[in-house]
Amino acid sequence: QKEVEQNSGPLSVPEGAIASLNCTYSDRGSQSFFWYRQYSGKSPELIMFIYSNGDKEDGRFTAQLNKASQYVSLLIRDSQPSDSATYLCAVGTGANSKLTFGKGITLSVRP
Amino acid sequence: GAVVSQHPSWVICKSGTSVKIECRSLDFQATTMFWYRQFPKQSLMLMATSNEGSKATYEQGVEKDKFLINHASLTLSTLTVTSAHPEDSSFYICSDLMWGAGNSPLHFGNGTRLTVT
Repeated sequence: QKEVEQNSGPLSVPEGAIASLNCTYSDRGSQSFFWYRQYSGKSPELIMFIYSNGDKEDGRFTAQLNKASQYVSLLIRDSQPSDSATYLCAVGTGANSKLTFGKGITLSVRP
Repeated sequence: GAVVSQHPSWVICKSGTSVKIECRSLDFQATTMFWYRQFPKQSLMLMATSNEGSKATYEQGVEKDKFLINHASLTLSTLTVTSAHPEDSSFYICSDLMWGAGNSPLHFGNGTRLTVT
């Protein structure tokens, strides 16, 4: 059974700090990796996606992928109170285009 | 990018009634759409894959006769919860599939909060 684990949390950081969110996955055949942000009562919105090993930066967000260790992480620099939300890690194999989601980690940015 | 419109955003119904949820792809022709369900403080669980012009593919444990999916056009997929019961109360979300971007869903509808009394 394909699993996506987001075990640490909830996470609380002060405003301006770097928030580090981690995710591990079980299926070595996974090819696509996504981070979604979900505010309470709302549907998820895509933050970043990454397909290749290494880092991918987009503004204050950096996704890091290590397929050998089967983990993907999201770094949020200069955290803002508006970043307070639940962050979902999602993994896809590409073959059937379905995504498996982790349970999410709740981030709270203290003003 | 593509925009997915989902309607209604919330619905309250009595036990035993049926509820239809619509999901529209506004910017491109979505031959495939996905339906998810999310219980409070839980992750998204894929219910089924909606395929335009053919039968939906249901995930293990999802009752196809209870959750009817129709994808009659390239821009509209509907999910009907038949004979709803309180345990069906959940947050239902649809998403599109964007080919050429890893063939993975990238955009979600705003979700439908279903409460069955």
